[in-house]
Amino acid sequence: EPEVTQTPSHQVTQMGQEVILRCVPISNHLYFYWYRQILGQKVEFLVSFYNNEISEKSEIFDDQFSVERPDGSNFTLKIRSTKLEDSAMYFCASSGVGTSGGDQETQYFGPGTRLLVL
Amino acid sequence: GQQLNQSPQSMFIQEGEDVSMNCTSSSIFNTWLWYKQDPGEGPVLLIALYKAGELTSNGRLTAQFGITRKDSFLNISASIPSDVGIYFCAGPPGTYKYIFGTGTRLKVLA
Repeated sequence: EPEVTQTPSHQVTQMGQEVILRCVPISNHLYFYWYRQILGQKVEFLVSFYNNEISEKSEIFDDQFSVERPDGSNFTLKIRSTKLEDSAMYFCASSGVGTSGGDQETQYFGPGTRLLVL
Repeated sequence: GQQLNQSPQSMFIQEGEDVSMNCTSSSIFNTWLWYKQDPGEGPVLLIALYKAGELTSNGRLTAQFGITRKDSFLNISASIPSDVGIYFCAGPPGTYKYIFGTGTRLKVLA
């Protein structure tokens, strides 16, 4: 069964450093998302990406964040200058194989990258 | 901002019991999704609902899309120990944006 994969599974970084989190969405999906989950809290939407551009972003997704689909398979989240409060699990998700009802809404999540900023 | 409230926040139940949980929103949604998250893993989609009043089952799980479009319910019948985890509802307040509920933490006592 196709699945979303994410690398690395864990990342430890110093405050102020840049990190890039990588995701390989399900191959024929069209919509891509990043979420984060601070330990013990709910999953929070960061950004959605469709047709090579950001579709929507939350207030969390400020100028230090950026997303990119550098090739046909990868989808990345970059945090330019990490802060302590960026420590969280970051989940990538993808959805949408076509125009049939419900495809765009049914999101499949990756296993996450646990980011720890020291 | 918009928020999805889930209740109960957590529950302990005996193995074999049925479980009910719900999710409410201050605004109308056209889709409701229910996910389960195991510790250290990503959410896994359980059930997706697309129409008000819709009742959909997936094995021992049944979810309903509330007729007001502002709520949804998830029931688990005959719970087993592997049902333990956090259950999240989610919905799209915008075309490409999704918000998750506060979660219901389920613990099953064997």
